[in-house]
Amino acid sequence: AQRVTQPEKLLSVFKGAPVELKCNYSYSGSPELFWYVQYSRQRLQLLLRHISRESIKGFTADLNKGETSFHLKKPFAQEEDSAMYYCALRANYGGSQGNLIFGKGTKLSVKP
Amino acid sequence: GAGVSQSPRYKVAKRGQDVALRCDPISGHVSLFWYQQALGQGPEFLTYFQNEAQLDKSGLPSDRFFAERPEGSVSTLKIQRTQQEDSAVYLCASSLFGRTSGTSYEQYFGPGTRLTVT
Repeated sequence: AQRVTQPEKLLSVFKGAPVELKCNYSYSGSPELFWYVQYSRQRLQLLLRHISRESIKGFTADLNKGETSFHLKKPFAQEEDSAMYYCALRANYGGSQGNLIFGKGTKLSVKP
Repeated sequence: GAGVSQSPRYKVAKRGQDVALRCDPISGHVSLFWYQQALGQGPEFLTYFQNEAQLDKSGLPSDRFFAERPEGSVSTLKIQRTQQEDSAVYLCASSLFGRTSGTSYEQYFGPGTRLTVT
């Protein structure tokens, strides 16, 4: 079964501390993994995707197929990073666009 | 340019009433998705359109849920005889294209419609 697990509902860190939001997935193929973010009173928006191998707002995420993980990391958290973060998987069905499968989300709170 | 818009933003329905939720995708976007997000959960897939064709409705929880996109643009999600368990935020997302060829197209989300069934 396709599944995305985010084990932490809430993660609280102090400003300047490193942060890691965990994501594990279950999929018997070659999935695409994403991180979406939802700031207070804003819509869900894409933060980054594994195929781009990019760093957005200082966040990075590496796909580890052996551990089936896609953890989101930032070396120095900022208060403006406080938000709800969702890990998502997109199945690569041949010839069709797969919908996104989301985890339950982790609320990141960065304290001053 | 304008993003995905949804209306109404909030809807309160009495149990048993029918509701219709509207989604205006980004102009030119071929793909349109509906998701349901219950309180404390991540969004869950309901249905997918490519232009006017509904290619996947495997996530619709019951036959009370119906979605359409007759002209390949605006989409409406209709829920008949609403139940309390239908209370959730309904999200619409659109993306530029619908077929994968090793290429991923970003899904852009609307603000959602919060449905409360009393």
